[in-house]
Amino acid sequence: SQTIHQWPATLVQPVGSPLSLECTVEGTSNPNLYWYRQAAGRGLQLLFYSVGIGQISSEVPQNLSASRPQDRQFILSSKKLLLSDSGFYLCAWCSGALRAFFGQGTRLTVV
Amino acid sequence: GESVGLHLPTLSVQEGDNSIINCAYSNSASDYFIWYKQESGKGPQFIIDIRSNMGKRQGQRVTVLLNKTVKHLSLQIAATQPGDSAVYFCAENISGTYKYIFGTGTRLKVLA
Repeated sequence: SQTIHQWPATLVQPVGSPLSLECTVEGTSNPNLYWYRQAAGRGLQLLFYSVGIGQISSEVPQNLSASRPQDRQFILSSKKLLLSDSGFYLCAWCSGALRAFFGQGTRLTVV
Repeated sequence: GESVGLHLPTLSVQEGDNSIINCAYSNSASDYFIWYKQESGKGPQFIIDIRSNMGKRQGQRVTVLLNKTVKHLSLQIAATQPGDSAVYFCAENISGTYKYIFGTGTRLKVLA
């Protein structure tokens, strides 16, 4: 069966520090991968999605970037975090069935 | 796009009653829709999906209705239980893309 792993679960980082969040999927090949951000009490905002290795689509201009170095690995990064980058970051995957499955999320607090 | 407002709409229902959560989607080209349940501090969990060539789909205690004419989606939960308390999101997939756009979300509170 397919599983998605996201880590770390929580992270507290100072303003101006770099960020690297990792997401990996098991049990499937060539999945579509997504990064979403959720601010407290709000909906999910699509940040990036990827349909293959090295293929990244950015949905909103921001202080973040994404990379997909391997088929089942999706990384969210920042060179210098801002206070406004705080939020709940969710990784998701889907395959041909179009049904998207989410990881358990990373709660990022920038201080 | 991102939802607006810091406070999610809330639906309060008595335990055992039926719940109806509504969602208006934005893109006429969307042809696949999913309802998700999100408990506090966790990722969204798939509940049920429906394609645009269907008007209704039933699962275990849940039913999704789709009205393409008015771009409206609803989730009906029968005999609501305390474990159903969560935030519910609808998501639309735009035909020909791999993008999922989420609705604002509705918080469901089940009263004992």
